[in-house]
Amino acid sequence: AQSVAQPEDQVNVAEGNPLTVKCTYSVSGNPYLFWYVQYPNRGLQFLLKYITGDNLVKGSYGFEAEFNKSQTSFHLKKPSALVSDSALYFCAVRDIHRGTYKYIFGTGTRLKVLA
Amino acid sequence: SAVISQKPSRDICQRGTSLTIQCQVDSQVTMMFWYRQQPGQSLTLIATANQGSEATYESGFVIDKFPISRPNLTFSTLTVSNMSPEDSSIYLCSAHRRGGDEQFFGPGTRLTVL
Repeated sequence: AQSVAQPEDQVNVAEGNPLTVKCTYSVSGNPYLFWYVQYPNRGLQFLLKYITGDNLVKGSYGFEAEFNKSQTSFHLKKPSALVSDSALYFCAVRDIHRGTYKYIFGTGTRLKVLA
Repeated sequence: SAVISQKPSRDICQRGTSLTIQCQVDSQVTMMFWYRQQPGQSLTLIATANQGSEATYESGFVIDKFPISRPNLTFSTLTVSNMSPEDSSIYLCSAHRRGGDEQFFGPGTRLTVL
């Protein structure tokens, strides 16, 4: 079965510093990987995805993620963090289940950007 | 992307009653899903809402407790039946468009059961 792991419950970073939110995956076959962000009292918003192609994927709000097959990782990154980036971040993988799609989410990482 | 709305946005209910949550998508989508999320926690998939047929439930979730309807390609409902305080949670609807890869989420329904 497909799965993703987010090893950090919380990440703290100073505003203006680079940030990394970690995700590792376990899949059979080619992975379909996603990052979502959830602001307080809101639904999840799609940030970016990796399906195939370049290992560095660019997404919304200046975020990017690097797919690393040898390390089975898909870490989320941003060169310069903003206080407004403080939110809950979820990594997800798409699984084929009973002939249809199913999405498996990680446990989430709370990002806190300090002014 | 798809715009997804949910009603109600929040509710406080008494034990033993039922609540139906509505999910409306602004365009036709192939798949719709219902999730449960404790505040600040990860998402747990309840079921996949299938258009014109019975929903596909995940382990631990049953139709009698969480009946789901999907009468067309843009609308689905989730009912939380015979509620208990353990059902207090955020319920999220999501959709997946044909030819797309990602899901889009509604804003969620925050349910509190007293």
